[in-house]
Amino acid sequence: KNQVEQSPQSLIILEGKNCTLQCNYTVSPFSNLRWYKQDTGRGPVSLTIMTFSENTKSNGRYTATLDADTKQSSLHITASQLSDSASYICVVSVSQNFVFGPGTRLSVLP
Amino acid sequence: DGGITQSPKYLFRKEGQNVTLSCEQNLNHDAMYWYRQDPGQGLRLIYYSQIVNDFQKGDIAEGYSVSREKKESFPLTVTSAQKNPTAFYLCASGRTDTQYFGPGTRLTVL
Repeated sequence: KNQVEQSPQSLIILEGKNCTLQCNYTVSPFSNLRWYKQDTGRGPVSLTIMTFSENTKSNGRYTATLDADTKQSSLHITASQLSDSASYICVVSVSQNFVFGPGTRLSVLP
Repeated sequence: DGGITQSPKYLFRKEGQNVTLSCEQNLNHDAMYWYRQDPGQGLRLIYYSQIVNDFQKGDIAEGYSVSREKKESFPLTVTSAQKNPTAFYLCASGRTDTQYFGPGTRLTVL
């Protein structure tokens, strides 16, 4: 069964600190993996997208990694800001279908 | 200004009423999707359409209906048969392996 798991479920950090969110998937055949940021009450916005052959992709303070052998991805946030408080969703594309993880809720405190 | 729009942002429904959520896109995407999001859960697919005048049921289609008469528009009707319709509804459009999301509609049953 195609499945995407994310950990932790929620995370609280202080402003300025770094954090790493995890995504494990059992999806086949794999097309690409995307990380989205979703602010409360808003639609998800894409942060990064990686294909099978890519193992790292950066977007400003966000860096995603992909290990296709172990079927794991991580999203690293550097020097967190209050505006980083949001849910982060891992999505794996399978042909023309998409499998969504439950998300990690990140809270950045001053 | 290209993108996906959803309306209304907030919608209140009395029990037994049908309501229709609007989704419009000017990205020239063939595929459009409707998702439901409940607190603490991942997005669940309601319906999707790969081409005009054709659509397919997703994982939780019961109590919902859609139409795709134009490429730009994919309205979702929440019928009285949907027993627990209070949720956040997200529309997306995309190409083969990518999706772009609208801002969402929050539906509350009174």
